[in-house]
Amino acid sequence: DTGVSQDPRHKITKRGQNVTFRCDPISEHNRLYWYRQTLGQGPEFLTYFQNEAQLEKSRLLSDRFSAERPKGSFSTLEIQRTEQGDSAMYLCASSLVSGGLNQPQHFGDGTRLSIL
Amino acid sequence: AQSVTQLGSHVSVSEGALVLLRCNYSSSVPPYLFWYVQYPNQGLQLLLKYTTGATLVKGINGFEAEFKKSETSFHLTKPSAHMSDAAEYFCAVNPNTGTASKLTFGTGTRLQVTL
Repeated sequence: DTGVSQDPRHKITKRGQNVTFRCDPISEHNRLYWYRQTLGQGPEFLTYFQNEAQLEKSRLLSDRFSAERPKGSFSTLEIQRTEQGDSAMYLCASSLVSGGLNQPQHFGDGTRLSIL
Repeated sequence: AQSVTQLGSHVSVSEGALVLLRCNYSSSVPPYLFWYVQYPNQGLQLLLKYTTGATLVKGINGFEAEFKKSETSFHLTKPSAHMSDAAEYFCAVNPNTGTASKLTFGTGTRLQVTL
């Protein structure tokens, strides 16, 4: 168990640029989640996948955001035409679906995005 | 819909003192409840969880929490604080519906431990 891995840890970009983040979940976990955390707040749900299927998207996920998990393993989160308000920590988590919903989510260390 | 309220955005205790972090939830169905801890520039680490069964749950690092349905609370306690406990603590709820899977978090409580 190597844990959830996120890359990069930090990303600084100019407003209007596109950015892409990667998440590698724990290997046997079939669910993968993306959350966004702004300063002084708790994480807010963005979207989640079960295997390669994207099952739910939050209203927070505008059309500038897109997430994929093409082979049911790693996932990418892309933000197009970044805005100041996109500055946040983007957290990825994974879990194993087994015996109901009581499998806890394991989080990565996040990608901190700063928009200049 | 579900929500979580954490009373007190900052809590300060002396080393060796009791830690009490408060969490109240709102859920239309019986929830699963979690406490996570976050150290600076890191992700969230699970401290403990309540799903079903015993209402007093024990977690890592000496923390425990008690689910009280009548009070819709899930407060986190530790008998004796250590300096290493200084961090941000988040309470989270997950509806036990069999379909939804996302966690809803509170706004967090920053724990400061002083000498």
